[in-house]
Amino acid sequence: GEDVEQSLFLSVREGDSSVINCTYTDSSSTYLYWYKQEPGAGLQLLTYIFSNMDMKQDQRLTVLLNKKDKHLSLRIADTQTGDSAIYFCGVISSGSARQLTFGSGTQLTVLP
Amino acid sequence: NAGVTQTPKFQVLKTGQSMTLQCAQDMNHNSMYWYRQDPGMGLRLIYYSASEGTTDKGEVPNGYNVSRLNKREFSLRLESAAPSQTSVYFCASTIVHEQYFGPGTRLTVT
Repeated sequence: GEDVEQSLFLSVREGDSSVINCTYTDSSSTYLYWYKQEPGAGLQLLTYIFSNMDMKQDQRLTVLLNKKDKHLSLRIADTQTGDSAIYFCGVISSGSARQLTFGSGTQLTVLP
Repeated sequence: NAGVTQTPKFQVLKTGQSMTLQCAQDMNHNSMYWYRQDPGMGLRLIYYSASEGTTDKGEVPNGYNVSRLNKREFSLRLESAAPSQTSVYFCASTIVHEQYFGPGTRLTVT
């Protein structure tokens, strides 16, 4: 089955860019997602990318997909303290009945 | 629209007790899911329902049962709770390529 890996922690200074990385194993993955989880809350869908795209930009968020290396990244420009949260990478593989496989999450801490 | 709602928000059970976690969505989505979230392990799929009347096992189904009561509601039942089922449980529903999550139920089994 699909395996999704993320680093556990990332700290950045307010105003800098953050880059959160994710790797996955199934080359037939079709949709790749980024979710944000704030303390005590559910997961909020931030953005997603289809596997035939290399890049997607949405305001301060940029998603990059390297299919050859099976690597997904989320860049947050001008990171703010409100961006402090856990970020989950999620992947849907073809034929998986739209089951999302998640990484273990990256805790982003934004320092003032 | 309330989106995906879950009840209760918090629950404490003793080992061996049973309970049902409720989930409802008002977005007319066909597919619904139950996940559990444990520290350092991300979310793992327990059961899902691709459409009304169908349910399938996910990655960690043991100790759980589900009912897709109608298109709106998908419940998760613990017949005999165990401490290993202490977790945060999330329900989700999907439209096309977007999966939306409820706020979660925090369950502690002592």
